[in-house]
Amino acid sequence: ETGVTQTPRHLVMGMTNKKSLKCEQHLGHNAMYWYKQSAKKPLELMFVYSLEERVENNSVPSRFSPECPNSSHLFLHLHTLQPEDSALYLCASSQDSEREAFFGQGTRLTVV
Amino acid sequence: GENVEQHPSTLSVQEGDSAVIKCTYSDSASNYFPWYKQELGKGPQLIIDIRSNVGEKKDQRIAVTLNKTAKHFSLHITETQPEDSAVYFCAARAVGGGADGLTFGKGTHLIIQP
Repeated sequence: ETGVTQTPRHLVMGMTNKKSLKCEQHLGHNAMYWYKQSAKKPLELMFVYSLEERVENNSVPSRFSPECPNSSHLFLHLHTLQPEDSALYLCASSQDSEREAFFGQGTRLTVV
Repeated sequence: GENVEQHPSTLSVQEGDSAVIKCTYSDSASNYFPWYKQELGKGPQLIIDIRSNVGEKKDQRIAVTLNKTAKHFSLHITETQPEDSAVYFCAARAVGGGADGLTFGKGTHLIIQP
């Protein structure tokens, strides 16, 4: 266990559905991240939150909407996704942006 | 932005032998280089990291070396065991004005042959 918990572990959704991914960290960290992991591609940074403020958005389509209500929780709201959005979505946290990052187990998302 | 290249994509070694995975990076401002191990169905787990003020770091059977001039760093695993089989990712991060995430390599699938 890394102290970063993601739910659900698996999610299948239709293209017209709305769903949310949840991440919770119990490490007292102040920075949280969403990454996308697709087959045969490097992990792609999607969003960065530092002290609950979004500080980076790497040209992610608006159908992905992050939310960070407090320093321990991070959400990724999903709506009208495409099949190519199917991937493993990983949450990570770190104490400040310059310290080691710890990952959750990921949510395996399948869009049908 | 930063670009990280990782080789090889697949590495098969006999149990007990050593394994070496190499990465290069493009941004000379990068100063933090972690290595992650990802087993099937799990998230990446940090196994070792190195900062730009040192050239080598060891932790039991695992070591990482950094050559800042050449902008490359390597992971060395000695006396490999079956449980070392996994996908390994290198990453690099530069110090920026705000929170920066990591730029990852594409990963190396390490296979330990019994």
